[in-house]
Amino acid sequence: NAGVTQTPKFRILKIGQSMTLQCTQDMNHNYMYWYRQDPGMGLKLIYYSVGAGITDKGEVPNGYNVSRSTTEDFPLRLELAAPSQTSVYFCAGASGGLGASPLHFGNGTRLTVT
Amino acid sequence: DAKTTQPPSMDCAEGRAANLPCNHSTISGNEYVYWYRQIHSQGPQYIIHGLKNNETNEMASLIITEDRKSSTLILPHATLRDTAVYYCIVRVYSGNTPLVFGKGTRLSVIA
Repeated sequence: NAGVTQTPKFRILKIGQSMTLQCTQDMNHNYMYWYRQDPGMGLKLIYYSVGAGITDKGEVPNGYNVSRSTTEDFPLRLELAAPSQTSVYFCAGASGGLGASPLHFGNGTRLTVT
Repeated sequence: DAKTTQPPSMDCAEGRAANLPCNHSTISGNEYVYWYRQIHSQGPQYIIHGLKNNETNEMASLIITEDRKSSTLILPHATLRDTAVYYCIVRVYSGNTPLVFGKGTRLSVIA
């Protein structure tokens, strides 16, 4: 199993550009999450999904969109990139309620918006 | 806001036990204590979780006080590879509530 795979690893965007951060998992996770981590800070939840076709906002959803058309994929879309979105983005998955199964994280996408 | 309080940083000598404290004085009866760690630039890694009994696995031990208002994560023989940020998180066992991460404790294991 590859686990949770994120692409790309690094990306530089100009202000106003758009991009999609890809996240795919082969662990049959029902629950998937997108977090961002600014330098020296903890992780903040952007969006999450409890199953295909279901998504919900986290703490900091503004400027982002997600979709969950399949169980395996949970892409994060930035429509109009802003410098405040410079961060490291982590995707994570879990099989069920978190008490029963821990989160498995990808290795992150480092995004710089200039 | 995170419902836990952790010291921002700690040092530990290699080979010694690392004891990482966490205060969660407002924990409710159905909330578990979870520990994750994040090694430099990588995604966080699950360590252990518990409700009220002490727990042990191949990575660490979790000691929860009887009143459940605080806990300690113990790495019995710390190595240089245990240098990381350690996050203590409380949340309910089931349901859809995502994990909320605070700033954690930066543990430095020193040779």
